[in-house]
Amino acid sequence: SAVISQKPSRDICQRGTSLTIQCQVDSQVTMMFWYRQQPGQSLTLIATANQGSEATYESGFVIDKFPISRPNLTFSTLTVSNMSPEDSSIYLCSVGDSGLGPQHFGDGTRLSIL
Amino acid sequence: GDSVTQMEGPVTLSEEAFLTINCTYTATGYPSLFWYVQYPGEGLQLLLKATKADDKGSNKGFEATYRKETTSFHLEKGSVQVSDSAVYFCALKNAGGTSYGKLTFGQGTILTVHP
Repeated sequence: SAVISQKPSRDICQRGTSLTIQCQVDSQVTMMFWYRQQPGQSLTLIATANQGSEATYESGFVIDKFPISRPNLTFSTLTVSNMSPEDSSIYLCSVGDSGLGPQHFGDGTRLSIL
Repeated sequence: GDSVTQMEGPVTLSEEAFLTINCTYTATGYPSLFWYVQYPGEGLQLLLKATKADDKGSNKGFEATYRKETTSFHLEKGSVQVSDSAVYFCALKNAGGTSYGKLTFGQGTILTVHP
């Protein structure tokens, strides 16, 4: 399976600032996804990162708050904008195909907002 | 829409005990089913998968069978170890419609194994 690297692995940020998380894959992949995992909770899909076009956001998530880029088939970024303590979560990148195969996940970015 | 329900947690067991974590799902069509594991401080790892009815996924002593008649995919292990302590997520993937390529997760079950 693909090797997925996320950076940073963790960060502590001030309220009102923004942070960009990078996701690098060691092979070309069709679909890349960004998830949020709030403390003690399951994963919630933020958006599907589409190569060469705008990301597709799930209900409750907007581009102004979570802008996403995907310049090629191996790389994507998620920005968490104007952060508040409620944004303290683990953010995970995953890759997969459009069929019934599994997704594979990076190790996540653990974000704390003070 | 699609949904996954896992048994209430957390689950606490002694080493070498038998483990069952229940998972049931609601979905149209014929989804794939997965179990993922999240060890402390790490991301999700695929533990096992099944792509059609009656398939049995297995890995590291864990097993789960895709039961379409009961819409279930229960995770079992005959003898747990302390190193199995983690959060376990059941998930499904449907290829069609608005679920295109997406995973639907259960709420997760925390497993703690004591020596």
